[in-house]
Amino acid sequence: NAGVTQTPKFRILKIGQSMTLQCAQDMNHNYMYWYRQDPGMGLKLIYYSVGAGITDKGEVPNGYNVSRSTTEDFPLRLELAAPSQTSVYFCASSYRTGTGMGYTFGSGTRLTVV
Amino acid sequence: DQQVKQNSPSLSVQEGRISILNCDYTNSMFDYFLWYKKYPAEGPTFLISISSIKDKNEDGRFTVFLNKSAKHLSLHIVPSQPGDSAVYFCAARNENNNDMRFGAGTRLTVKP
Repeated sequence: NAGVTQTPKFRILKIGQSMTLQCAQDMNHNYMYWYRQDPGMGLKLIYYSVGAGITDKGEVPNGYNVSRSTTEDFPLRLELAAPSQTSVYFCASSYRTGTGMGYTFGSGTRLTVV
Repeated sequence: DQQVKQNSPSLSVQEGRISILNCDYTNSMFDYFLWYKKYPAEGPTFLISISSIKDKNEDGRFTVFLNKSAKHLSLHIVPSQPGDSAVYFCAARNENNNDMRFGAGTRLTVKP
């Protein structure tokens, strides 16, 4: 029972480079989310998806793109990395929103942009 | 715009005693409140939640209290155990909104 799997766990990027953070879940959850956590701050929502083919912006979407071609996968794309994108990124999933049910989070990707 | 605030970055308690973690929010539209626990190098894990129609929810050693008039909630852990040492995040959401807002977290240390 893998839950939510994120790869890579760590990455160092140079300014202007691009990369894709991978996220996969095996729980058949409809909803998937990408959050970032900056030091001393709470998690902030970047993008979310309510099902395959449907994505929407969260609180801090600038500089990122997502796609949801399958229920299982929800990759996050950084096109032109900037130092402000240095953060820990968490992917999460849930059956549905609007309830007290919690999300299942991945273990995170620590990204440094230099 | 910090809609969910945890004003205590850290808390230290003795094993067996009560741990009380506090959280304040500003958005009156929030109707669900959750607590997550996070160990180093792991993602947050869901701990307990409470709907805005309740003022208390209990699950074993964990109890969450909600005071809507004060826009305040708290998590009580009794008795505290060393394995409870982690960062605890308070979160809030509106049922019609997909944006769950998180506090900055409180690092709890339970000393043996």
